[in-house]
Order: sequence, then C-alpha cells, then structure tokens
Amino acid sequence: GESVGLHLPTLSVQEGDNSIINCAYSNSASDYFIWYKQESGKGPQFIIDIRSNMDKRQGQRVTVLLNKTVKHLSLQIAATQPGDSAVYFCATDTGNQFYFGTGTSLTVIP
Amino acid sequence: NAGVTQTPKFQVLKTGQSMTLQCAQDMNHEYMSWYRQDPGMGLRLIHYSVGAGITDQGEVPNGYNVSRSTTEDFPLRLLSAAPSQTSVYFCATGLGEKNIQYFGAGTRLSVL
Repeated sequence: GESVGLHLPTLSVQEGDNSIINCAYSNSASDYFIWYKQESGKGPQFIIDIRSNMDKRQGQRVTVLLNKTVKHLSLQIAATQPGDSAVYFCATDTGNQFYFGTGTSLTVIP
Repeated sequence: NAGVTQTPKFQVLKTGQSMTLQCAQDMNHEYMSWYRQDPGMGLRLIHYSVGAGITDQGEVPNGYNVSRSTTEDFPLRLLSAAPSQTSVYFCATGLGEKNIQYFGAGTRLSVL
C-alpha cells in the first residue's frame, strides 16, 4: 500500500508572499506525483506533476520539488494571490492506483 | 467540450435504498476511477477501470459496484445505501497509469 501525508493541515500567507506546501509519501516504489488544487464545492484541479527521474519541475508561478531520498515533495507558489486560496493535495501513483494526502488548506491574507 | 460529467450533483437516500451515480467523459480516456472524499481523509479510491470491460477494486470497494461497458461511461452503484456512505463522490479520467487524472464536479450524497 501507500500512505501520503501533508505536513500542515492549514497554512496562512500574506498576499504577495511565497507559499510552500509539503508532502511525504511512504512507498519508495512511487514514481509519479501530482499536485491538485480544490476550491470549495468543486472537483480537484490539476496543478503540476513530476516523475521520479526529475528533482524539480516548474510551471506558471508553481514549482514542485521531489526528494526521493527522504520521500518528500513540496509545492511552491510564487507571489501568492487571493485566488490561490484553496485546499491542496498531493497524490502518488502506485501501479494504477492513486493515493492522496489529506490536504493543506491555504488561506491568502490580503 | 464537457470533459467529465457527473450526475446527479446532489442526492439524499434512505438507508437500504439503491442508486447509481453516473459518470460520462468525452475525452476518449481509457482510465476511469471513482473516489470518495470525507472530511479530514483526503480522496480514497473506490474502483477503477483501465478500459472497457475491465474493472478493479481500489482502497475502499465494499458496498459499491461498477461496470464499464463503454469507454465513455463508468457508473457507480450503491446496492443498499448505508449512513457510512454519506460522502462526496468524484469521478476521474485519464490516459492511463502515471498520467494526469481529470476530475468531475462531484456528487454530494447523504444517506439518512
């Protein structure tokens, strides 16, 4: 099996600051990871993914870092905006099954 | 382009009733899956399918049945609803293993 956990259930940041959301996974065989954003009343929305042959991947204002040695990944959001307020999930794929963390609720303070 | 469509959006059932949650996709994705989301527990996989005619169990399959007769549709059946099945249910689709999954808007189910 697999367990996925996020380090903090809630995170508050000032508008314009950078946000960092952390996630740990248990299965060393996990080789694909996704970050999702979920706004209230909606389904999860894809943000960025990374495969185990990479340590870092960047998107628009987001960066995912993967540390396979300690089985940890993080999502960095640059210049956080009010529209970034949501719950963020990490997920890993272990043989056709995705396992999700419990989510970190990000609140952006204007 | 509708993407992933789930119906109904809301449903209230009495204990012991049966119902089917519908999921349809127009992206020609082979992989489809059902999750339930409960407070503080993230999303948990119920059943999944890697293609028409093929289904398999996920992490929490008990009390649910699925079938996959076409690429487009993947219904989830509750044969005898229980209060423990009160949850938000999400359908997701993707190209396959180790690829992005796209989620529907969810079905909010209450079992009284």
